[in-house]
Amino acid sequence: EAQVTQNPRYLITVTGKKLTVTCSQNMNHEYMSWYRQDPGLGLRQIYYSMNVEVTDKGDVPEGYKVSRKEKRNFPLILESPSPNQTSLYFCATHPLGTDTQYFGPGTRLTVL
Amino acid sequence: RKEVEQDPGPFNVPEGATVAFNCTYSNSASQSFFWYRQDCRKEPKLLMSVYSSGNEDGRFTAQLNRASQYISLLIRDSKLSDSATYLCVVNTNFGNEKLTFGTGTRLTIIP
Repeated sequence: EAQVTQNPRYLITVTGKKLTVTCSQNMNHEYMSWYRQDPGLGLRQIYYSMNVEVTDKGDVPEGYKVSRKEKRNFPLILESPSPNQTSLYFCATHPLGTDTQYFGPGTRLTVL
Repeated sequence: RKEVEQDPGPFNVPEGATVAFNCTYSNSASQSFFWYRQDCRKEPKLLMSVYSSGNEDGRFTAQLNRASQYISLLIRDSKLSDSATYLCVVNTNFGNEKLTFGTGTRLTIIP
């Protein structure tokens, strides 16, 4: 079954404590990206990757890092989380040359 | 001006009615357009792509008006299960295959 998985699904943490949200896909898609969704602001792209070892900033990259060492995985790293990073995060993938994105189930992060 | 704008609603519509949403986009060079559906803070899922000639999928019809830079979604004979947030999505940057999402229109179908 084609899947995009994210872990954890829910996380409550404190300011400054480094965390990683994992994203994994089994569809062999080249393109992976991270979004955050906030009320009234919609989905905003944080980072994207068009292939292994190729990553670039989206619209709101400040405070986040990513890596793409393998095609299937695209972790999102918050080195020093702050309360303004409290949000709902989605990982998404698609094959290059197509537009239809497949989203993971979301990670709800609360930073106290 | 936002790249993609939608009326946030909410639209409260009786079951069986027809409802229509519009969405405007600012980049006239945009090529790809979509409607996604999102249920109650779950992940967005593709509802339908929007083609220049317009397209229909069952009770759903999507249209594109390039001259006025808007896309529309029409839902006929609405069902309770149509209650969701509908996201307008536009491909605005062809170099990085970036999609830009509207903030969504919330629809509630009332029994």
